[in-house]
Amino acid sequence: QQQVKQSPQSLIVQKGGISIINCAYENTAFDYFPWYQQFPGKGPALLIAIRPDVSEKKEGRFTISFNKSAKQFSLHIMDSQPGDSATYFCAASMLTSGSRLTFGEGTQLTVNP
Amino acid sequence: GAVVSQHPSWVICKSGTSVKIECRSLDFQATTMFWYRQFPKQSLMLMATSNEGSKATYEQGVEKDKFLINHASLTLSTLTVTSAHPEDSSFYICSTRSGTSGRLSSTDTQYFGPGTRLTVL
Repeated sequence: QQQVKQSPQSLIVQKGGISIINCAYENTAFDYFPWYQQFPGKGPALLIAIRPDVSEKKEGRFTISFNKSAKQFSLHIMDSQPGDSATYFCAASMLTSGSRLTFGEGTQLTVNP
Repeated sequence: GAVVSQHPSWVICKSGTSVKIECRSLDFQATTMFWYRQFPKQSLMLMATSNEGSKATYEQGVEKDKFLINHASLTLSTLTVTSAHPEDSSFYICSTRSGTSGRLSSTDTQYFGPGTRLTVL
């Protein structure tokens, strides 16, 4: 299976709150899991990425939690700000497939002031 | 991260014409580039993998004769939509793999261009 399932489809959070987006995958050969942020009319921008040899990675307000046994990973945005309002995509790839990315369906995040 | 540009940023054309979209890697030599298509409020769908100096590899269901890809140099890949139709209207985005050699690495990542909005009338 090459699919990556992402939830929720949309998320509304108050300023200062925590935004949590979840992804699940089937193919255990995936070895790279990036998160991308996309604003309307723009290309996706790499936010943070993790490899399966670690369970958590934090960069500023953004944290990825990775559960290899459950084949799940999630993005946590701490102290969410209105400027974080965007569409977030999780993705997965494997070295043996030329690092081609398989994207989740996307989550539209709205952070209310 | 790598800097990727696309040109044009938007284009409107008549049905039946061909449109060329350029993707440039501005700050490193990219042996591999990827082309994606994104419909409104949908995810990115990989169309093809572009390799410098060789034929592109197309994903299942993508017509290679309709979407012509040329990767003639380490900094430029082009996507030509031939005989465009209204259903080809979409947001086309390219990306480059950060690896500078032909050998894949577990540290490779993809950096995306700003996208090209194609509208076919």
